[in-house]
Amino acid sequence: GAGVSQSPSNKVTEKGKDVELRCDPISGHTALYWYRQSLGQGLEFLIYFQGNSAPDKSGLPSDRFSAERTGGSVSTLTIQRTQQEDSAVYLCASSATGRGANVLTFGAGSRLTVL
Amino acid sequence: QKEVEQNSGPLSVPEGAIASLNCTYSDRGSQSFFWYRQYSGKSPELIMSIYSNGDKEDGRFTAQLNKASQYVSLLIRDSQPSDSATYLCAVNTGFQKLVFGTGTRLLVSP
Repeated sequence: GAGVSQSPSNKVTEKGKDVELRCDPISGHTALYWYRQSLGQGLEFLIYFQGNSAPDKSGLPSDRFSAERTGGSVSTLTIQRTQQEDSAVYLCASSATGRGANVLTFGAGSRLTVL
Repeated sequence: QKEVEQNSGPLSVPEGAIASLNCTYSDRGSQSFFWYRQYSGKSPELIMSIYSNGDKEDGRFTAQLNKASQYVSLLIRDSQPSDSATYLCAVNTGFQKLVFGTGTRLLVSP
């Protein structure tokens, strides 16, 4: 696609429920990133994919968080047994490799509210 | 020590003035440095990248890199009210992992 697409744009859930957030990167972009941004805060790195592999999962806050990427394209971030502190905007970004590496294009984000 | 540090601001400048934004980083091996702009309620967008020591100019924007002192700065000349946003410094800490600072909020008053 022309840009990075994320869904849902807004998700309200009850504490303890599982949620799935989806990211569809720019076609041809091999690198895909997930960040989390709490209200008024900076971007917290969660995980990065190169192709289908995740060389760096160090930012995942707990074992309730997992992510996968299939076919080198779409990625899903899953949060199990959601807690109120998980409320944030989850941003996905993609980039090319080589000279385009780290030139991230962000999606519009998925705003998660845990009641 | 945080990997990437920025003053949260707000930095207030009058229209037409030069805004100077600063960032320091802890990983001496970092090679790639970026400035992203984020308007309220929007996603970040890239405005500048810099890889070598010195200055890089693009229109009203100049990025400055000093690897020995481990700092990166962004100058915005002839600041406009439309420049009011949060400016995020980002550093590649290796293996394409991009770490962001918490951002500096810039307010340009007419």
